[in-house]
Amino acid sequence: EAGVTQFPSHSVIEKGQTVTLRCDPISGHDNLYWYRRVMGKEIKFLLHFVKESKQDESGMPNNRFLAERTGGTYSTLKVQPAELEDSGVYFCASSQVTGLVDLEKLFFGSGTQLSVL
Amino acid sequence: AQTVTQSQPEMSVQEAETVTLSCTYDTSESDYYLFWYKQPPSRQMILVIRQEAYKQQNATENRFSVNFQKAAKSFSLKISDSQLGDAAMYFCAYRSPGIGNQFYFGTGTSLTVIP
Repeated sequence: EAGVTQFPSHSVIEKGQTVTLRCDPISGHDNLYWYRRVMGKEIKFLLHFVKESKQDESGMPNNRFLAERTGGTYSTLKVQPAELEDSGVYFCASSQVTGLVDLEKLFFGSGTQLSVL
Repeated sequence: AQTVTQSQPEMSVQEAETVTLSCTYDTSESDYYLFWYKQPPSRQMILVIRQEAYKQQNATENRFSVNFQKAAKSFSLKISDSQLGDAAMYFCAYRSPGIGNQFYFGTGTSLTVIP
């Protein structure tokens, strides 16, 4: 079974440019999360999708970040225009909705390393 | 908001020895979940072990065990008989009960295993 895949694995862009990160969750997983780790700091929550709906986007830093999940399958996270402080590793995770919180297990992708110069 | 603190940015251990990674957290909730995740270089982050706050017994998964001290809000990870494959970044995480609740992570501890 394929895991959570993220593309690209690395991205280097200049300040002011646009970058789009993609996450393909495990097939059948309704929950999809985006997290970000800025160098040396903690991993922070960005947002949570249930299928195609944004359940919680309280962690999105500002309106330069736009996340979508078309048809409840893969998700994209677009940063436009990118700023220096956006550099970091962006993680995606997915899980199946079981109705039993004890059984919810998150599967993480390998992350996208974004460098804004 | 909940916070998770990992005070050891880097740790090293000799192969076959035991190492303990520390983690403390702050919360006003009485029920929650605690986790240790491992991220090998350029690899996916995987769950190592989890602990439910309502359980007094410390969780154990093969060579990995935790020392959960609820009153002290401490959740350390002990790795016994360390192996080269244990080298990774380890993240401690907290989560409130409920589907979809976000994780709160610490800053991570980079573990080096010395042959």
